Amino acid sequence: QVRLVESGGGVVQTGSSLRLSCDASGLMFNAYAMHWVRRPPGKGLQWVAVIWYDGSHQYYADSVKGRFTISRDNSNSVLYLDMNTLRPEDTAVYFCARDRGNSHYFDHWGRGTLVTVAS
Amino acid sequence: QSVLVQTPSASGTPGQSVNISCSGSSANIGSQTVNWYQQVPGMAPKLLIFGDDHRPSGVPDRFSGSKSGTSASLAISGLRSDDEAEYYCAVWDDSLNGPLFGGGTKVTVL
Repeated sequence: QVRLVESGGGVVQTGSSLRLSCDASGLMFNAYAMHWVRRPPGKGLQWVAVIWYDGSHQYYADSVKGRFTISRDNSNSVLYLDMNTLRPEDTAVYFCARDRGNSHYFDHWGRGTLVTVAS
Repeated sequence: QSVLVQTPSASGTPGQSVNISCSGSSANIGSQTVNWYQQVPGMAPKLLIFGDDHRPSGVPDRFSGSKSGTSASLAISGLRSDDEAEYYCAVWDDSLNGPLFGGGTKVTVL
């Protein structure tokens, strides 16, 4: 059974840092690209970042570029998101998701972890 | 405002059908396949349709997807109370190396 479990969320002050984790099991973690997607309160889904299956490439949404870093530990099946210089507009539920490949659809998602950035 | 435009809300009574539209352009829907996700608050988002009109195993055939030109649609037939959720269309953006999501459509079962 595929499981993606996010953790690391919490309430932090503007300008703070936070590290999110996504523990994966039941899927060939090291064979697929992985993404972070967020949902701010009252808004829709927003793509945040992607990392290639082997960690060789990372891409970011403009809104987080230079502040967030996506990484992965394939030996332990864990995805990370290091968030620095947090802003109130980063407040959201953060989800990790598996990219199925060529057609780039997300076939497995976690339930998310809430990040609240207080001003 | 998202590049992919969805009507903010839709509703129906149990057993009815609901159609959700997603409007884009030749740069996105017109040149990429469309995927649809269902998101119930507090739950993991769920893939409903991939590649315009393909259902993953386990998704009931009450859900169907279609695309014509620069618009796509998700149809839900035989509406059930547990279909109450937010629905998002998405297409891959090669320049972004990530997906574009529609703004979402909240479906209410009356």
